[in-house]
Amino acid sequence: DQQVKQNSPSLSVQEGRISILNCDYTNSMFDYFLWYKKYPAEGPTFLISISSIKDKNEDGRFTVFLNKSAKHLSLHIVPSQPGDSAVYFCAASDSGNTPLVFGKGTRLSVIA
Amino acid sequence: DAGVIQSPRHEVTEMGQEVTLRCKPISGHDYLFWYRQTMMRGLELLIYFNNNVPIDDSGMPEDRFSAKMPNASFSTLKIQPSEPRDSAVYFCASTPLAGAGYNEQFFGPGTRLTVL
Repeated sequence: DQQVKQNSPSLSVQEGRISILNCDYTNSMFDYFLWYKKYPAEGPTFLISISSIKDKNEDGRFTVFLNKSAKHLSLHIVPSQPGDSAVYFCAASDSGNTPLVFGKGTRLSVIA
Repeated sequence: DAGVIQSPRHEVTEMGQEVTLRCKPISGHDYLFWYRQTMMRGLELLIYFNNNVPIDDSGMPEDRFSAKMPNASFSTLKIQPSEPRDSAVYFCASTPLAGAGYNEQFFGPGTRLTVL
């Protein structure tokens, strides 16, 4: 039973356009959400996070949106660059020191 | 700071052999996590430690898997005996913080395990 779902295994976007990666969760106790980025042969690295008291968090080209009623979050990358090509993992937890639950990841390819 | 260090980076072994994966967390980090990544299951937590004490090992798939953290700078994940279905990439991660920031974990480069 997957509590964090990334239903798109892969996504291909033209350089300069917007990339939108989606994530759904089922556990209503989750109140802290993160995105990690992973390049081949490397470990995941933290990208951006959002807590449930917000519906948007922005960091440069990266914006995460949270829709609590729909239990849905998304990561927007604008503009997309070839260096953004990686696997993106969505993760969630409740803030009570419980471990992260990860989605299976979405492979983003940004085409020049 | 060297980051989280894992060894070996690649391990190829035969079914039935013992495998030991090693991890050195970032100095000063109180939490250490072991994850396994497979195509079918994605990134799943196996076990985590706080101040060298195992807190939750419910993700450890079978008794063939064991993990130890004898001190703050070293942890091992052991599989004995190994099976082909254990083939995966194993990640170690650490974090210094509790609460919401606890979740901003720092991952090592992983160990790619192949069991023939």
